[in-house]
Amino acid sequence: KAGVTQTPRYLIKTRGQQVTLSCSPISGHRSVSWYQQTPGQGLQFLFEYFSETQRNKGNFPGRFSGRQFSNSRSEMNVSTLELGDSALYLCASSLAAQGNTGELFFGEGSRLTVL
Amino acid sequence: AQSVSQHNHHVILSEAASLELGCNYSYGGTVNLFWYVQYPGQHLQLLLKYFSGDPLVKGIKGFEAEFIKSKFSFNLRKPSVQWSDTAEYFCAVNAYGNKLVFGAGTILRVKS
Repeated sequence: KAGVTQTPRYLIKTRGQQVTLSCSPISGHRSVSWYQQTPGQGLQFLFEYFSETQRNKGNFPGRFSGRQFSNSRSEMNVSTLELGDSALYLCASSLAAQGNTGELFFGEGSRLTVL
Repeated sequence: AQSVSQHNHHVILSEAASLELGCNYSYGGTVNLFWYVQYPGQHLQLLLKYFSGDPLVKGIKGFEAEFIKSKFSFNLRKPSVQWSDTAEYFCAVNAYGNKLVFGAGTILRVKS
């Protein structure tokens, strides 16, 4: 069974640009969550989507947005990039049954560098 | 707000030594608890989880963790570490949906 796939794996942008990251969850998983990982702040929750609806959102500015498609694939977008947005962006998928087990399967991440 | 505190940021052990990584969380309600591991160059993967029932849970690769509700703790243990256990370990808690609150992580280096 294929794991969570994230693209691109690495990218470099300049301040003010925008970026779109993509995530394909494990087949059959309907929940997709996004996390930002930095050396200073660690792993921080961005948002979660389930059946194309945002179910939960972390404390990030509105420049960070996401969406989920009918096939459960998800994208996240960061507009007006700042230097502090440099991070590893992790996508995680879950079966997300009604009980909300919280058991996540992570991708390898997209490493964003903002210059 | 929920928070998770991991006691040590760096731990260095020799092979065959015993391991205990501390984790405390702050949340007054019912929580689910996890330990995730990130081996060098690999993605985060689940080590073990606690939802309810027996507070001593066993995970992969000989790891176990004990949930002590009165202490808001979920410490990770392994009786005898191996060089291949070198990794970063994250404690996490969730109370709703799939939002996990992670601790800062503990980098474990096992000397062969």
